[in-house]
Amino acid sequence: KNEVEQSPQNLTAQEGEFITINCSYSVGISALHWLQQHPGGGIVSLFMLSSGKKKHGRLIATINIQEKHSSLHITASHPRDSAVYICAVDEETSGSRLTFGEGTQLTVNP
Amino acid sequence: DAGVTQSPTHLIKTRGQQVTLRCSPKSGHDTVSWYQQALGQGPQFIFQYYEEEERQRGNFPDRFSGHQFPNYSSELNVNALLLGDSALYLCASSSWIYGYTFGSGTRLTVV
Repeated sequence: KNEVEQSPQNLTAQEGEFITINCSYSVGISALHWLQQHPGGGIVSLFMLSSGKKKHGRLIATINIQEKHSSLHITASHPRDSAVYICAVDEETSGSRLTFGEGTQLTVNP
Repeated sequence: DAGVTQSPTHLIKTRGQQVTLRCSPKSGHDTVSWYQQALGQGPQFIFQYYEEEERQRGNFPDRFSGHQFPNYSSELNVNALLLGDSALYLCASSSWIYGYTFGSGTRLTVV
């Protein structure tokens, strides 16, 4: 079992839909990251969370430390949101070293 | 301010050869981590350098080695390449203040 699990693996939505991607982890963490990866490989950091909720534009990220669960929401989705979304954690015992989930491939159709 | 720069962007090597990948960290970052991402999978931690020393290492064989220079830039070396080493190699620089910044990666193909 992976230490970081994401669901769903693949997600197809119509433009304008509200999207949720989930992340569960099994280790103690100091922070959780949501990342975006476009074809070609470059990774962009979207959020770093240690508690509560953060919002940036149409993106919202929440974390529940007690339940070891985080969600990434995209409101009013757009085709340009199509990408792989990856959850990664800074484990408490490992210092600044990320453990990644396998990613969620999001496709938003016009 | 430039982010993380990786070179080359693409590389094709033959089995058994050696390869060196390079990473220049974001300004102000003192720690460099390397990750291997196979197709369709999440990145896997290779190792991390801080103050020119390997601080942590993932579950990768000794064929994978690295170096960090006084200007914080880093190299990843892979010896005796195998077909299974074909992957996207990502560099991430970080500092405890600024968090992580990722490079665009080097796509290595071993034939």
